[in-house]
Amino acid sequence: DAGVTQSPTHLIKTRGQQVTLRCSPKSGHDTVSWYQQALGQGPQFIFQYYEEEERQRGNFPDRFSGHQFPNYSSELNVNALLLGDSALYLCASSFQAGPSYEQYFGPGTRLTVT
Amino acid sequence: AQSVAQPEDQVNVAEGNPLTVKCTYSVSGNPYLFWYVQYPNRGLQFLLKYITGDNLVKGSYGFEAEFNKSQTSFHLKKPSALVSDSALYFCAVRDPTSGTYKYIFGTGTRLKVLA
Repeated sequence: DAGVTQSPTHLIKTRGQQVTLRCSPKSGHDTVSWYQQALGQGPQFIFQYYEEEERQRGNFPDRFSGHQFPNYSSELNVNALLLGDSALYLCASSFQAGPSYEQYFGPGTRLTVT
Repeated sequence: AQSVAQPEDQVNVAEGNPLTVKCTYSVSGNPYLFWYVQYPNRGLQFLLKYITGDNLVKGSYGFEAEFNKSQTSFHLKKPSALVSDSALYFCAVRDPTSGTYKYIFGTGTRLKVLA
């Protein structure tokens, strides 16, 4: 049973560019959340997707957008990259009908903006 | 507003000794509480959760945590630490009664187990 997978593992971009990160949820999961983890910090909630719609959003600008596909996989897009966007981006999946809403995390994508 | 505090940036413990990693929370309703562990260059790995019921919850790798509602705490414990337990530990909270789906994470506590 595959867990949560993310691609790519590492990415280097230049300020002003755009980036797309991808996530495949754990088998049986239908909900995907994205988090940003800056160096030395805890993960910060970006947004969550369920039934192909953004269900909740954290305190991130509109430069951060996402999408969920019918197979429950998801993409995170960041436009007009800033140096401060350098971080580990984590995808977490869960099953909406589960009683405890337990999240399982992928290994993350390390984004470096130069 | 929801919040989580992990008051210690780092905890050092000798191998074989008991360990405690502290976590306090603030939510308006009854919380869902979680502990995760992160190894270098890896994602977060689930350890245990408190949803309801018994205040002492047992999780993976011999870890346990005690929910204390009066002190709004959810400290992570292990009776006998291993060198391989050295990692970054995160406490997280979700308040299901507020209609929010997001987890709020603490800033993390680095655990070093010394041989």
